[in-house]
Amino acid sequence: QVQLVESGGGVVQPGRSLRLSCAASGFTFSTYGMHWVRQAPGKGPEWVAVTSNDGRNKEYADSVKGRFTISRDNSKNTLYLQMSSLRPEDTAVYYCAKVSGIESYMYAFDIWGQGTRVTVSS
Amino acid sequence: DIVMTQSPDSLAVSLGERTTINCRSSQSVLYNPNNKNYLAWYQQKPGQPPKVLIYWASTRESGVPDRFSGSGSGTDFTLTISSLQAEDVAVYYCQQYYSTPLTFGGGTKVEI
Repeated sequence: QVQLVESGGGVVQPGRSLRLSCAASGFTFSTYGMHWVRQAPGKGPEWVAVTSNDGRNKEYADSVKGRFTISRDNSKNTLYLQMSSLRPEDTAVYYCAKVSGIESYMYAFDIWGQGTRVTVSS
Repeated sequence: DIVMTQSPDSLAVSLGERTTINCRSSQSVLYNPNNKNYLAWYQQKPGQPPKVLIYWASTRESGVPDRFSGSGSGTDFTLTISSLQAEDVAVYYCQQYYSTPLTFGGGTKVEI
């Protein structure tokens, strides 16, 4: 069964750091680009970052550039999001998502995790 | 950035009725070399992640009921639910994956 399971969320003070993980199973993880998407309470989804299947190419939303780092360990079938200098506006449910094609990471998202909640508050 | 604008923001529909949701992109998401529109539609129910319904603007995801269909090209797209069922109550989002930053529409809430 194809599955993504996020972990690492929690309550953190502004300016602190947090690392999210996304464990993949049921598919050949190293073949697919992977994205992080977040959703603030009562809002629509917001794209955060993407990594290519081999981890060489990465892109970020302007709102997180320089503060967040996406990475992956294909030997562990795990995607990461290192978040630093957190702000209250980073409060959201964070989802990892798998793309549906293999030629690039510009495809629709066919598999989403259930999400992990991050709350940035003093 | 490509801005995705959905309409309406919400709508109330009777069971069995036809439902149409519109999505407009601020620039074309049609990639001419492969003639594909880089547009997807997602359904999100409370407490759940979004679920893909349609990709390449009109290709239905495996397992999605055929009452869901997508159409359009370039900058104007439509999601149609031919006969609304109770389980279709949800928020629907369009998304462009033509260029980064990937962007979503503001969502359309469908109620009975």
